[in-house]
Amino acid sequence: GNSVTQMEGPVTLSEEAFLTINCTYTATGYPSLFWYVQYPGEGLQLLLKATKADDKGSNKGFEATYRKETTSFHLEKGSVQVSDSAVYFCALSALGSQGNLIFGKGTKLSVKP
Amino acid sequence: GAGVSQSPSNKVTEKGKDVELRCDPISGHTALYWYRQSLGQGLEFLIYFQGNSAPDKSGLPSDRFSAERTGGSVSTLTIQRTQQEDSAVYLCASSLGGGGGWEMQYFGPGTRLTVL
Repeated sequence: GNSVTQMEGPVTLSEEAFLTINCTYTATGYPSLFWYVQYPGEGLQLLLKATKADDKGSNKGFEATYRKETTSFHLEKGSVQVSDSAVYFCALSALGSQGNLIFGKGTKLSVKP
Repeated sequence: GAGVSQSPSNKVTEKGKDVELRCDPISGHTALYWYRQSLGQGLEFLIYFQGNSAPDKSGLPSDRFSAERTGGSVSTLTIQRTQQEDSAVYLCASSLGGGGGWEMQYFGPGTRLTVL
């Protein structure tokens, strides 16, 4: 079946450090891929998405590239800020599923000043 | 405009009781989704509505769980004879639906259910 595996946290970084959160998926066909973020005390928000191979999603300095050959969608940011502290979820929506999201377990990021 | 709202924000109940959780989607959004977020299982899809129909109920964990949507708007998730393992945060999301509009899902703040 379809599934998402992302690196377990927590991840603790200093401000301005480089961030990578790994995400790999298993799915038939070409799913759409997403990163969602949950800031402390807030609801889930879509951070970025990619709907086909080699697409790059980007938002707020975060980027992720849809890699079909490695079935990956790793999240990166060149210089993290304290305000980026949150839980990050990788997710997929299988072709024809009408949007039902399958999530990874989530990775908690803490950025220290 | 108003986002997705859910009520109650917190619900504490005793094992064996029934509970109803409510979701008000964004006006005009035809697609509505229920998810469950728990420590052990992470975020799980429960059910999807397009209008008032539920073409995908595959995520409902047991027949104690049911959901309905009326008027293409408000949805209610009902859990009968609650068990301790039902304790979780129940999230509702909505999207425009149809023709790619389903991809942008907006989530509500969730209802935290605690079963004693």
